[in-house]
Amino acid sequence: QVQLQESGPGLVKPSQTLSLTCTVSGDSISSDSYYWTWIRQPAGKGLEWIGRIYPGGSTNNNPSLKSRVIISVDTSKNQFSLKLTSVTAADTAVYYCAREFVVVTAMRHYYYYLDVWGNGTTVTVSS
Amino acid sequence: DIQMTQSPSSLSASVGDRVTITCRASQSLISYLNWYQKKPGKAPKLLIYTASNLQSGVPSRFSGSGSGTDFTLTISSLQPEDFATYYCQQSYSPPYSFGQGTKLEIK
Repeated sequence: QVQLQESGPGLVKPSQTLSLTCTVSGDSISSDSYYWTWIRQPAGKGLEWIGRIYPGGSTNNNPSLKSRVIISVDTSKNQFSLKLTSVTAADTAVYYCAREFVVVTAMRHYYYYLDVWGNGTTVTVSS
Repeated sequence: DIQMTQSPSSLSASVGDRVTITCRASQSLISYLNWYQKKPGKAPKLLIYTASNLQSGVPSRFSGSGSGTDFTLTISSLQPEDFATYYCQQSYSPPYSFGQGTKLEIK
């Protein structure tokens, strides 16, 4: 079955860049049936959608994070990555990667939902 | 951006109760609305997609309804493993925002 696993430093200094990788096993990241997505959850708060990437390279990011988000994909390694620049304490959170399933109806409507998630990795921003 | 508002924010109920959680969007989503269950220390789990479709493997006591701006998640008979936080998410237009969550606690 499909599994996703986040990896990366658990501690990042303020103003530096947070870098995380999600390794996908059990399926090809190049499939045109999926987007690959990052979500985070600060302690005691709700879920925040960070952004997503399609295997062809197109991305959508959350404008609330301004232009600090870079999401990329490495099809040779079956991985996708998140870089968040100029981090502050407000970026401390559990970060999840997830697969976003794309359903296309006969009427050419596109539906999306997050059907497989990684276990999450905690990132703390502190000096 | 589309704003998602869930009500109530928290809810106390007993095993066997019927529970309904509401999610309202700031604009019409048609039926582009998903529901997730989140337990502490665990990844979110997809329950319902496109408003009313039950994800494979999810018990039939969970159901979703609604369209446009108003949606509901119903648990017909609460089980002990259902006590968790529930989130709605719109997938109509990026960024695909979540509601603030509804924490379901044991009475």
